[in-house]
Amino acid sequence: EAQVTQNPRYLITVTGKKLTVTCSQNMNHEYMSWYRQDPGLGLRQIYYSMNVEVTDKGDVPEGYKVSRKEKRNFPLILESPSPNQTSLYFCASSFLGALYNEQFFGPGTRLTVL
Amino acid sequence: EDKVVQSPLSLVVHEGDTVTLNCSYEVTNFRSLLWYKQEKKAPTFLFMLTSSGIEKKSGRLSSILDKKELFSILNITATQTGDSAIYLCAGFLSSNTGKLIFGQGTTLQVKP
Repeated sequence: EAQVTQNPRYLITVTGKKLTVTCSQNMNHEYMSWYRQDPGLGLRQIYYSMNVEVTDKGDVPEGYKVSRKEKRNFPLILESPSPNQTSLYFCASSFLGALYNEQFFGPGTRLTVL
Repeated sequence: EDKVVQSPLSLVVHEGDTVTLNCSYEVTNFRSLLWYKQEKKAPTFLFMLTSSGIEKKSGRLSSILDKKELFSILNITATQTGDSAIYLCAGFLSSNTGKLIFGQGTTLQVKP
């Protein structure tokens, strides 16, 4: 089944404890992206990647890192999480040719930083 | 500054009503505008619009773009309770980047 998977789905952690949220897609998509969703603010793009080893900042990259060593994986790293990073996170992917069409979203990761 | 603004932010209607959701944008090098529906899970794709004046339609949903006035509308006719969701509008900044700007979303509640 074609899908985007994220792990973990729920995470409660403490300030300063490094964490990684994994994202994997099995559709051979070139494009992958991370978003956070907060009430009243909609979805905001954190980082995106147009292909392996190519990443770029979205609108809210501060406090996050990403890497794209393989086409299927695009992990989101929080080196020193803070409470203002408590949010719902979505990973998405698409073919570059269909970049302006449908992005497939993962199920979301709800992160709470205490 | 690139931005996408949706209105209203929330809306309550009754089954059978017709609703119009608005999305205005200021994007430096506009490429396309997308509409998504989000229930209690990940967003799902509805429409992509690139050309002015061409209506996209899927069942009771339709959408149109006005590139001169920089806005788009999403219409839902004969609403059903299953249409209750957050509707998201997003603009692609440029053909050469993957930067995507979302609006705040419109929360639609359809009452029986």
